[in-house]
Amino acid sequence: GAGVSQSPSNKVTEKGKDVELRCDPISGHTALYWYRQSLGQGLEFLIYFQGNSAPDKSGLPSDRFSAERTGGSVSTLTIQRTQQEDSAVYLCASSFFSEGPYGYTFGSGTRLTVV
Amino acid sequence: DQQVKQNSPSLSVQEGRISILNCDYTNSMFDYFLWYKKYPAEGPTFLISISSIKDKNEDGRFTVFLNKSAKHLSLHIVPSQPGDSAVYFCAASAEAGNTGKLIFGQGTTLQVKP
Repeated sequence: GAGVSQSPSNKVTEKGKDVELRCDPISGHTALYWYRQSLGQGLEFLIYFQGNSAPDKSGLPSDRFSAERTGGSVSTLTIQRTQQEDSAVYLCASSFFSEGPYGYTFGSGTRLTVV
Repeated sequence: DQQVKQNSPSLSVQEGRISILNCDYTNSMFDYFLWYKKYPAEGPTFLISISSIKDKNEDGRFTVFLNKSAKHLSLHIVPSQPGDSAVYFCAASAEAGNTGKLIFGQGTTLQVKP
């Protein structure tokens, strides 16, 4: 597609439920990143995928969070047993590896609300 | 530990005047700095960047200044326009050539009044 697509755009879930957030990166982009923005906070790095390399999971806040990228394209961020502090906008970005941060294209994000 | 800080959550300026957005960082290993602009309900978009080997980069109305000794950078917008009203994020990377992973500040909401 022309841009990074994220779905759903909004998600309201009950505390304790699991949620899956999807990211469709720009075709051909080899690098994919997940960030989140909590209310009043900056963008917090979560996880990074690059080609077939092991993902950099250093930003995942707890073991309730996991992500995978299938076939080097679509990525799914899964949050298990959601808590209220998980409420945030989850942003996905992709880029050509060679372009590094210059080539970041962000999706519009998924606004997650845990009630 | 907040490695990139934007201490002003908001800024309001008159149309036509200069907007100055500030950013401080603590990690001396950062070698690339970027500014992103974000409108409501949209993802951030890349605005301008600067390498640590430079102290200034200009692109039209936007200029970024880097003071490495002070670990401080600023974004100048001249002249400011109402369409510039958005949230501006400062970001830094210590490994731009490897992973492109960025550390973002909290953002500054700029309002340009007509």
